[in-house]
Amino acid sequence: DVKVTQSSRYLVKRTGEKVFLECVQDMDHENMFWYRQDPGLGLRLIYFSYDVKMKEKGDIPEGYSVSREKKERFSLILESASTNQTSMYLCASSLGTGTDTQYFGPGTRLTVL
Amino acid sequence: QKEVEQDPGPLSVPEGAIVSLNCTYSNSAFQYFMWYRQYSRKGPELLMYTYSSGNKEDGRFTAQVDKSSKYISLFIRDSQPSDSATYLCAMKETGANNLFFGTGTRLTVIP
Repeated sequence: DVKVTQSSRYLVKRTGEKVFLECVQDMDHENMFWYRQDPGLGLRLIYFSYDVKMKEKGDIPEGYSVSREKKERFSLILESASTNQTSMYLCASSLGTGTDTQYFGPGTRLTVL
Repeated sequence: QKEVEQDPGPLSVPEGAIVSLNCTYSNSAFQYFMWYRQYSRKGPELLMYTYSSGNKEDGRFTAQVDKSSKYISLFIRDSQPSDSATYLCAMKETGANNLFFGTGTRLTVIP
């Protein structure tokens, strides 16, 4: 079974703080993804990575950065958290064959006050 | 126009009913189609994964793809209260890494 874990289930931060969200997968997947999920808007892709140290912007990268120093770990960084970044953040991974699908972690519900 | 459209519901049905969930899409290059189930405050879990047109059955769940109409469906037979969740459709092109998601349909099965 694919296992994707996220460092926190719930997080409360203050405006202006730097926030790190960590994701780890244990299936040697090539690709990793960060999404945010908001009511009525569905899942929106922030960034994805197809290899160590490689990254691509998704649909809404503004205000976020990512880091992938090891294959199994993909971090999402909010450089200066703002209230409009309050959301559910979901990490996913996929094998990267082109025919496979994505497997999700449990999510981190971030509240920025 | 969004690439993938999904009726957000909410949908409430009595226990034992047959449920039909649907998505339409605009990109004819989509070849892989998925349904995810997401319980409240949890991450989506993969439920069904199909390639191109046709039907796929897994227990009480049947996924159907009609590429000519750009329409996919998920049928749930003998629905149970434990099926209460949000159902997300997703799809992608061959060789692509990115998935395109519907916004999800919230389903409640009433005992």
